[in-house]
Amino acid sequence: ILNVEQSPQSLHVQEGDSTNFTCSFPSSNFYALHWYRWETAKSPEALFVMTLNGDEKKKGRISATLNTKEGYSYLYIKGSQPEDSATYLCAFIVGGATNKLIFGTGTLLAVQP
Amino acid sequence: SQTIHQWPATLVQPVGSPLSLECTVEGTSNPNLYWYRQAAGRGLQLLFYSVGIGQISSEVPQNLSASRPQDRQFILSSKKLLLSDSGFYLCAWTPTGSSYEQYFGPGTRLTVT
Repeated sequence: ILNVEQSPQSLHVQEGDSTNFTCSFPSSNFYALHWYRWETAKSPEALFVMTLNGDEKKKGRISATLNTKEGYSYLYIKGSQPEDSATYLCAFIVGGATNKLIFGTGTLLAVQP
Repeated sequence: SQTIHQWPATLVQPVGSPLSLECTVEGTSNPNLYWYRQAAGRGLQLLFYSVGIGQISSEVPQNLSASRPQDRQFILSSKKLLLSDSGFYLCAWTPTGSSYEQYFGPGTRLTVT
């Protein structure tokens, strides 16, 4: 059974703090890893799709790194703002033509003004 | 541009009643289509996926079924709902071929009473 784990489960930070989360995934048969930002009652918003070992991607104050050999990815948020409050999901692609995603349980981030 | 629709947005149904949730995608052809569910206190779980009309694969044994009567239409159904069917249901699509990206609909909040 493929398992994707995220830590911490939740995180409370003050506005302006920088923070990071971890996603662990199976290191064999790797195709791609997704990071999504998910606000309650909305559809998950794609942040990054990462495919190559050593990938680093950035979108504004949010960045992510990927290590496929050891099976982990980090998501960083620099200078957190209240609007960053959301659940951050990572998802591992099970390969082939199906593109099925196996999701972690997410990290719930709450940024206090 | 491509868009994905889901309806209804919210639904409250009694135990034992039938269910039909609909998902349609616009602006693309022959997408892979997916149904995910988030049950209370749990992560997103893949329920069904489809790589073409009439082709449905089930990921977990459950009380639900899926159908794809048209290329861009994906329906989630149940003949008799259980309390455990409550949750947030998300439809998603991926372009056929090389893309790893997956796009989500707005979701349906189902409460079984």
